[in-house]
Amino acid sequence: AQTVTQSQPEMSVQEAETVTLSCTYDTSENNYYLFWYKQPPSRQMILVIRQEAYKQQNATENRFSVNFQKAAKSFSLKISDSQLGDTAMYFCAFMKPGNTPLVFGKGTRLSVIA
Amino acid sequence: DSGVTQTPKHLITATGQRVTLRCSPRSGDLSVYWYQQSLDQGLQFLIQYYNGEERAKGNILERFSAQQFPDLHSELNLSSLELGDSALYFCASSAGTSGALNTQYFGPGTRLTVL
Repeated sequence: AQTVTQSQPEMSVQEAETVTLSCTYDTSENNYYLFWYKQPPSRQMILVIRQEAYKQQNATENRFSVNFQKAAKSFSLKISDSQLGDTAMYFCAFMKPGNTPLVFGKGTRLSVIA
Repeated sequence: DSGVTQTPKHLITATGQRVTLRCSPRSGDLSVYWYQQSLDQGLQFLIQYYNGEERAKGNILERFSAQQFPDLHSELNLSSLELGDSALYFCASSAGTSGALNTQYFGPGTRLTVL
């Protein structure tokens, strides 16, 4: 079974600074998908970024980028120019190929400080 | 707005009761997933439907059941409720095909409180 580990329960960052959230996973699959979801205080789950394991290029979405290290089974999220609205719980998630459920890590609570 | 809708937003009920949570997927999505988010268990997959058929089961209790209707909306039925069933229940939908189209988009959730 796949597992996802987020080793940082809480983090904080100053507004406009850069922060990196860590995620490692365990799988025997060669092809899969990785995601970061954001859950702000409203509790809505919002997709931040997606990475396909067969793509070597790291995904980027505006201020959000990932560092995907397939051999190390590592998938970190970098948030540049942090904004107060980035304050949220961030969940790393794994998905096998095909029409399959997500496996989530326990989340990292990020606070952006003015 | 993800395009996934869930009703009701909040539900308060008593132990032993039965409730029904409803989800409408994004237009065109065939797959619906139900997840439970509780403080101690994190986000856990409950059950998945694809085009009306059960596709996968996760940590779903026997007291819980679900179905997906011909119009693709889904309902999650929770019965003989216990205090420990209090949680946020999310529905997510995806196209149900392969590749990036299988990205799951979440509804706003239903907060269930069992007193």
